[in-house]
Amino acid sequence: NAGVTQTPKFQVLKTGQSMTLQCAQDMNHEYMSWYRQDPGMGLRLIHYSVGAGITDQGEVPNGYNVSRSTTEDFPLRLLSAAPSQTSVYFCASSFFDPGGVTEAFFGQGTRLTVV
Amino acid sequence: DAKTTQPNSMESNEEEPVHLPCNHSTISGTDYIHWYRQLPSQGPEYVIHGLTSNVNNRMASLAIAEDRKSSTLILHRATLRDAAVYYCIPPKTGANNLFFGTGTRLTVIP
Repeated sequence: NAGVTQTPKFQVLKTGQSMTLQCAQDMNHEYMSWYRQDPGMGLRLIHYSVGAGITDQGEVPNGYNVSRSTTEDFPLRLLSAAPSQTSVYFCASSFFDPGGVTEAFFGQGTRLTVV
Repeated sequence: DAKTTQPNSMESNEEEPVHLPCNHSTISGTDYIHWYRQLPSQGPEYVIHGLTSNVNNRMASLAIAEDRKSSTLILHRATLRDAAVYYCIPPKTGANNLFFGTGTRLTVIP
């Protein structure tokens, strides 16, 4: 199993450009999420999805869009990149467990720089 | 939401046990305590979780205080590969969302 795969690993954007960060998982997990990690800080939740067709906002959703058309894929879109979005982005997936017991699997991250 | 408090950093000699503390005094009665770690330049990885009693797995042990206001992650023999940032995370009840603080940076000295 590949687990959680993120592409690209590195990206440099100019301010105002748009791009999509890709995330795919092969574990048939219902729950997928996106986090960003700024230098010296912990991860912060951007958006999450509990299944195909269902998405919701996390702590820091502004400037990002998501959609979930399949169980496997959960892309993150930046419509107009800003320098404040320079960060490392992590995608995670897990079985949906309302009791909060499940284990999350993370991708290797996408390092994004906006100039 | 439950909050956690961890030391910013800790050091350990290689092959010695390490006890990483976490305070979570506002945790609710049904919140599980999860620990993740993040190796350099990698995504976080699950370590262990527990609710009320002590838990063991191949990576670590988790000791939970009787009042559940604190817990301790125990690495029985630290190796250089254990150098990482360790996060103590009490998830919100009823959700998969993980709320990360700044964690404890563990340095393992050869």
